[in-house]
Amino acid sequence: KQEVTQIPAALSVPEGENLVLNCSFTDSAIYNLQWFRQDPGKGLTSLLLIQSSQREQTSGRLNASLDKSSGRSTLYIAASQPGDSATYLCAVRPTSGGSNYKLTFGKGTLLTVNP
Amino acid sequence: GAVVSQHPSWVICKSGTSVKIECRSLDFQATTMFWYRQFPKQSLMLMATSNEGSKATYEQGVEKDKFLINHASLTLSTLTVTSAHPEDSSFYICSARVLALYTDTQYFGPGTRLTVL
Repeated sequence: KQEVTQIPAALSVPEGENLVLNCSFTDSAIYNLQWFRQDPGKGLTSLLLIQSSQREQTSGRLNASLDKSSGRSTLYIAASQPGDSATYLCAVRPTSGGSNYKLTFGKGTLLTVNP
Repeated sequence: GAVVSQHPSWVICKSGTSVKIECRSLDFQATTMFWYRQFPKQSLMLMATSNEGSKATYEQGVEKDKFLINHASLTLSTLTVTSAHPEDSSFYICSARVLALYTDTQYFGPGTRLTVL
């Protein structure tokens, strides 16, 4: 059974700091890994999706890396801003399941960027 | 990008009543929609997979008679919480799957906060 762990559970940083969020998964048979942002009481916004054959993806100040063999992914946020404050979730899609695949989510990292 | 809406965004009901939550894909057709539940400070847990025109597939431990799912069209899936109890209070999120030539991803709705008194 796939398990996804995110460390740390919460992180507080001053504005402008670069930071790294970690995600680990127990089963390396993944199709892709996705990072989401969730604001309080809101749904999920997809940030980056990395296919299993890729090593990293970048979007603006965000960079996500994937090391499938070691079961790890990191989300790097450069020059953090107060608007980045949210919960960041990672989710993995397995290679199995076909059209009825199931995403497995981590519990998330609650990020607070202080002005 | 693809937009998924949910209605209502929040609902408060009395114990023993039923509540229906709608999930709509606004600008695309979704043959598959997913229903998740999220408790405070917990991850999203998949409840069921809903395929248009067929019965939903429920995850282990999810009561199909309590959480009724209907996916009658390619743009609408509904989740009905029957005989709701306080322990059903949670944040319910749906997602809709987009499957195209170079795309296979899920788009998530904004969620529905259910509070059962």
